[in-house]
Amino acid sequence: GAVVSQHPSWVICKSGTSVKIECRSLDFQATTMFWYRQFPKQSLMLMATSNEGSKATYEQGVEKDKFLINHASLTLSTLTVTSAHPEDSSFYICSLMPRHWGSNYGYTFGSGTRLTVV
Amino acid sequence: SQQGEEDPQALSIQEGENATMNCSYKTSINNLQWYRQNSGRGLVHLILIRSNEREKHSGRLRVTLDTSKKSSSLLITASRAADTASYFCATVDRGSTLGRLYFGRGTQLTVWP
Repeated sequence: GAVVSQHPSWVICKSGTSVKIECRSLDFQATTMFWYRQFPKQSLMLMATSNEGSKATYEQGVEKDKFLINHASLTLSTLTVTSAHPEDSSFYICSLMPRHWGSNYGYTFGSGTRLTVV
Repeated sequence: SQQGEEDPQALSIQEGENATMNCSYKTSINNLQWYRQNSGRGLVHLILIRSNEREKHSGRLRVTLDTSKKSSSLLITASRAADTASYFCATVDRGSTLGRLYFGRGTQLTVWP
């Protein structure tokens, strides 16, 4: 299956600063990537769909200006949490849509980034 | 947004026993997938069942799908302590052009040695 690398695995930042999280597809060109956030002991909430070369599609209730997504190449998507506040503290996970998502292939997930805003 | 509910929210069993988790969803789907997540880690894909399939097996895993009831179940047979994790079902909507995957709430499985 596909291999995805997500960095950093954890980050602590001060309130008001911005944090960038990277998600790289290592072995195939991913035109579509997804970003999720997960609160402790809860499920994954889809934040946005990242499409290479075009604007991201955000889910309802997700602030576009707060969570900036850039998918400038076929192997890299980034999520920038701007002007982070403690309530943005969460576990952020990226995912690649498989090459043939209509068939029997599951999605590949990054290892996640634990963001703590102090 | 989340797709639906998983039941139970938490399950605690002994090694060797079977574990059954259920998932309900709300929309018409293209496929349903089960994932496993160890604490603080990413997700690992376990098995995918398509909307025109009713049952699928993979090793110790057995998945069923009932589209009339909009529900699925995951059975792990002869469980092991290493199976301790959170298990999530996720669906892709029928007709989806973006392939977005929506997750259920998850079941926390604890297997005691």
